[in-house]
Amino acid sequence: DAGITQSPRYKITETGRQVTLMCHQTWSHSYMFWYRQDLGHGLRLIYYSAAADITDKGEVPDGYVVSRSKTENFPLTLESATRSQTSVYFCASTLARSGTGTYEQYFGPGTRLTVT
Amino acid sequence: GQQLNQSPQSMFIQEGEDVSMNCTSSSIFNTWLWYKQDPGEGPVLLIALYKAGELTSNGRLTAQFGITRKDSFLNISASIPSDVGIYFCAGPYTGANSKLTFGKGITLSVRP
Repeated sequence: DAGITQSPRYKITETGRQVTLMCHQTWSHSYMFWYRQDLGHGLRLIYYSAAADITDKGEVPDGYVVSRSKTENFPLTLESATRSQTSVYFCASTLARSGTGTYEQYFGPGTRLTVT
Repeated sequence: GQQLNQSPQSMFIQEGEDVSMNCTSSSIFNTWLWYKQDPGEGPVLLIALYKAGELTSNGRLTAQFGITRKDSFLNISASIPSDVGIYFCAGPYTGANSKLTFGKGITLSVRP
């Protein structure tokens, strides 16, 4: 299906475990983003990527790792999950157009992660 | 840093009523975006504004890019139950292509 998908949609894991959240988009968008959404904090940027093999930290990167070997995929890994990482995680993407700022981000359906 | 302010945190209206919400910033923005998030789903882009003073409609939704470039407004006319959700404004970080900063959102409830 065209668009942006995330998997799994729900995940329960234990403290200290490694967990990877997947994001896949079919638009060939250059930019991809990972956000977490928590009550009282809104959407906070974790990491973003301007293209394959180019990633950068956002507002709250600690405890997370990303990679982007292919344009269409942008996995987010929690190397050693903590309870404070219980949250809803959203992936988004943007088509970058040369010469203009392109800001229209399109979001996936989210992954609800619980760390026990 | 750049912050977008949305208030109040929650709004309660009667079905059929119009509702207006705004988003303000102490910084100038060159783009304003409005998103809606349904319960259990990801945010969906409603309207994008790229020019000061611009007024854009999408069905019953109308959004305006403030003349000062420090605010934007979203109006929903003749509300219906499916308008329930969280409405976010967003704008680009200064000098950083494609990164957005988001307001904390307004939760809209519609009483039938």
